[in-house]
Amino acid sequence: DAKTTQPNSMESNEEEPVHLPCNHSTISGTDYIHWYRQLPSQGPEYVIHGLTSNVNNRMASLAIAEDRKSSTLILHRATLRDAAVYYCILMYSGGGADGLTFGKGTHLIIQP
Amino acid sequence: DSGVTQTPKHLITATGQRVTLRCSPRSGDLSVYWYQQSLDQGLQFLIHYYNGEERAKGNILERFSAQQFPDLHSELNLSSLELGDSALYFCASSVGVGLAGETQYFGPGTRLLVL
Repeated sequence: DAKTTQPNSMESNEEEPVHLPCNHSTISGTDYIHWYRQLPSQGPEYVIHGLTSNVNNRMASLAIAEDRKSSTLILHRATLRDAAVYYCILMYSGGGADGLTFGKGTHLIIQP
Repeated sequence: DSGVTQTPKHLITATGQRVTLRCSPRSGDLSVYWYQQSLDQGLQFLIHYYNGEERAKGNILERFSAQQFPDLHSELNLSSLELGDSALYFCASSVGVGLAGETQYFGPGTRLLVL
């Protein structure tokens, strides 16, 4: 599986936008980019995913670079509840059975 | 609430023992995945079942086994337990066979402590 690189931690203020970067320079043309997050003492939670185009949902936006070698998860207005570890994961569409490969993720700290 | 349930929430046992963890997927989901989360290894994929059949294995030890029953619930069996097996065990489910565009929904986990 292609690997992703994320900052270990980031800090932001409540009610401000947050941009969480992810580098995936060895991504293949058929890899999907998924983001999950894990709040303290909970199981991972799906946030968003995309293939080539930018994506929006009620939780966040995903901006994918034109060359697909990087992506950014955007939380438009962070709340204290968004404090979590955020994982950027690539899934190869030619596979289909393997589980998610979690890295260390980015620990997002939200200051009130 | 993801709709995935796991029991028990907590489990304390001794080395050498055997335990069974149970997972019920979301209604309509055919795939079940098991993950282990420990402090030193992070979140690791163990095994995937789709509609009763094993589809993929990850970093699952030979002492561990799993199955998915006709009603689609799944059990993860851990035997000859060692101190290092102490971890959080998560189950996830997805609607189909596990294609790259599918979302996985995670349960709240079972915390296993081996003494």
